[in-house]
Parts: sequence; C-alpha cells; structure tokens
Amino acid sequence: NAGVMQNPRHLVRRRGQEARLRCSPVKGHSHVYWYRQLPEEGLKFMVYLQKENIIDESGMPKERFSAEFPKEGPSILRIQQVVRGDSAAYFCASSPGIQANYGYTFGSGTRLTVV
Amino acid sequence: DAKTTQPNSMESNEEEPVHLPCNHSTISGTDYIHWYRQLPSQGPEYVIHGLTSNVNNRMASLAIAEDRKSSTLILHRATLRDAAVYYCILRDYDGGSQGNLIFGKGTKLSVKP
Repeated sequence: NAGVMQNPRHLVRRRGQEARLRCSPVKGHSHVYWYRQLPEEGLKFMVYLQKENIIDESGMPKERFSAEFPKEGPSILRIQQVVRGDSAAYFCASSPGIQANYGYTFGSGTRLTVV
Repeated sequence: DAKTTQPNSMESNEEEPVHLPCNHSTISGTDYIHWYRQLPSQGPEYVIHGLTSNVNNRMASLAIAEDRKSSTLILHRATLRDAAVYYCILRDYDGGSQGNLIFGKGTKLSVKP
C-alpha cells in the first residue's frame, strides 16, 4: 500500500522558469493538501483540493501559483516564473476525508531550488 | 483552529521516557488533538490523535487532561530516531470549517546517546 508519492524529490529551476510538482495521494484518498516549508521555518498551508475542485486556497500566493487535482492523475502544484524566494520544500498530504478524526499522510516532499 | 502552546525545545536521554506537553486552553468540544512529527529532511509523520480519552498506539501514548485544556505525548523509550520536531495540532470539523491542519512551531526534541 504505497503512501503519498511526490516527484521529483529535487527540482532546480532558473529564475523565470516554470516548476511543476506532482503528488499522487494514497490510493482511495480523495482529499489533497499542499504545504510549503521555507528554510528553517514551519509548514505553511497552501491549498486544499478534492477531485476536480479547489476547496480552500487561502494559503496560496495570489500570483504565479496554481494547483489542480484532475479526475485522473496526480495533483499538480504549478509555479510560474519562479523567483529565488520560491526555494523551499513543498509537501503534499492526503486524507480519506475531512472529518477531524482522520489523519493526514504526507509525502517526502519536493525540494525546489531556484538559481 | 484553536491555538496550541508547546515548548520550543526539549532534551532527552536515549532509552528514557519523554513527556512532550501541549497547552490548548481554548479547545472546543469538537476539536481533536493530533500529534505529528517531522524528522530532519523528511515530511511530517502522523503520530497519534485523540478526543477525550487517553490513547495508545505502537508509536506513543497520548494523555489528555480531564478538562482537555492540555495534553501530553509520551514516548516510552526514546531512541535516536525519535529526534524530530513534534507538533501538537487541534483539528476541528464542525460542518462549516474545512478543518485543515495548521502547524505551529512545535517542540524540537533532541535525544542524547
């Protein structure tokens, strides 16, 4: 039973390029969450998605960032025109439901470095 | 989500029990208490959760105060692999909230051999 799979594990992009981060949730989980962790800082919630719907994007920067969770395939976090400040670890988590007694399963993260 | 308060850091010796405290004085009746930990360079990992009663699993025990305003995560025998940042999080779903996990600063646990 595979956990949350994120790829790539490491991604290097030059300033101005696009970064695409992929997340495959635990099989059967239809709720996906993205978090960002800047160096030496805590985890910050970015966005919560269900299949084909963005439920809560209150933590997403207003520009350059977008997320999707299509009917088929992984969830994608897209960062356009990356800047050095986007360098961080991006973690995806999934859960089987939104009830408070469900826990999250996290992936190992994608470490984005913008040069 | 209601806020929690944890010490910034704690130290433990290997093979000894560790008690990690968490205060949540504004907890509501529908808040579950969740604990996660993050080992260096890894994603967070679920540890345990509870509502009112004490809980045990293979990783740890969770002791919840009778008034629910505080809780303690107990690692019965700390190992070097338990060195991590431990997060105490309240998660609520009351029908109107998405109940997303909101991480604070957590407690950085160091384990000495």
